[in-house]
Amino acid sequence: DFVMTQTPLSLPVTPGEPASISCRSSQSLFDSEDGNTYLDWYLQKPGQSPQVLIYTLSYRAAGVPDRFSGSGSGTNFTLKISRVEAEDVGVYYCMQRMEFPWTFGPGTKVDIK
Amino acid sequence: VQLLESGGGLVQPGGSLRLSCVVSGVTFSDYAMTWVRQVPGKGLQWLSFITSSGKTAYYADFVKGRFTISRDNSKNTLYLEMSGLRGDDTASYYCAKVGKMWDFLEYWGQGALVTVSS
Repeated sequence: DFVMTQTPLSLPVTPGEPASISCRSSQSLFDSEDGNTYLDWYLQKPGQSPQVLIYTLSYRAAGVPDRFSGSGSGTNFTLKISRVEAEDVGVYYCMQRMEFPWTFGPGTKVDIK
Repeated sequence: VQLLESGGGLVQPGGSLRLSCVVSGVTFSDYAMTWVRQVPGKGLQWLSFITSSGKTAYYADFVKGRFTISRDNSKNTLYLEMSGLRGDDTASYYCAKVGKMWDFLEYWGQGALVTVSS
């Protein structure tokens, strides 16, 4: 199975400042047949169900602000928030869809300093 | 789009439970579905996936042989049959609708709490 890791596990942030979260997979998430990288990012805000932010490495889901961006390749990925807002607090998860069973990373808790 | 889970509750170790997820606002039979769980205070665990037709399913290793995903497209309902329940299965169980291209977990339910305890 694909094992996902994330760093850091806790990230205090300052509103207006940038922030980034790293995600690593035990195996490549790049599919050479279609050129896609099957890595997604989800945010679970306090008391809510998770919501998709980024899918297939770098595609922003509908309604997601453009301050969120996804990048990376192979086994190393990054979620960046260009300017953190107070509403961005919560736990961020990466998830691989390269192969079943799909697997989530352990999560990165983002809160305001 | 709404997803409404039901069937959670208290069950004894070794017992069984069936969760349901009723989906509205979309043509249910067009979409694959998944189950994801979250132990209280912990992270997300992907559990299972079923194709739109219901013909193919996939499972996480730690539930394979104990949990069964199924669907009734005539009732717009997704199911998760759980047996051999253990204390570490205590969690909130979320159903999620998969995007058309199996590209992301697009909509999520609010979760159903399952507590396994004697």
